Amino acid sequence: GAGVSQSPSNKVTEKGKDVELRCDPISGHTALYWYRQRLGQGLEFLIYFQGNSAPDKSGLPSDRFSAERTGESVSTLTIQRTQQEDSAVYLCASSLTSNQPQHFGDGTRLSIL
Amino acid sequence: GESVGLHLPTLSVQEGDNSIINCAYSNSASDYFIWYKQESGKGPQFIIDIRSNMDKRQGQRVTVLLNKTVKHLSLQIAATQPGDSAVYFCAENVNAGGTSYGKLTFGQGTILTVHP
Repeated sequence: GAGVSQSPSNKVTEKGKDVELRCDPISGHTALYWYRQRLGQGLEFLIYFQGNSAPDKSGLPSDRFSAERTGESVSTLTIQRTQQEDSAVYLCASSLTSNQPQHFGDGTRLSIL
Repeated sequence: GESVGLHLPTLSVQEGDNSIINCAYSNSASDYFIWYKQESGKGPQFIIDIRSNMDKRQGQRVTVLLNKTVKHLSLQIAATQPGDSAVYFCAENVNAGGTSYGKLTFGQGTILTVHP
């Protein structure tokens, strides 16, 4: 069956450019999460969606980061004016409800030159 | 702040041995714990979870033990195989103010290497 799909799988861009990362959750999953994983480290929570509202944005590192979700479907994470420290793998997860196991996509590997 | 941590960053075992990966957590409000396996270039893969009203849960070749008294979590893998080689993460869900949702706090991970 279809899992969580993320695109692009890799993104290389110059410092200062804006990037948009996409997540297609598992169909029917109401909860959606974004995490960031730096090389050799664990995952850091960024934002949580329940439907198309975001009750918890506490993990977003700065106002350059934003995310939105259309209904209970696709979500986009946007990073404006990218900096080198934004280089990481950005992972999306979805779950049937907020207290069910999260299932992850394979992430977008973002490299800022 | 409070976080989930791991005692051992690496673990090497022989094929067929049993593996035990340990995890300590510090937040007594955590009520849900989950283990993930992550292979290189892939996203974390769900292995098994446990809620705080249980102290043991078994899956296929895996067992998770939860000791709330000492805030300790472990993952046991029976008859470890080379395909089990990966990074293993434990994660906790903090029940914030009575509203439980799935925000997970991850540990740093343990690298498991299984030698044929």
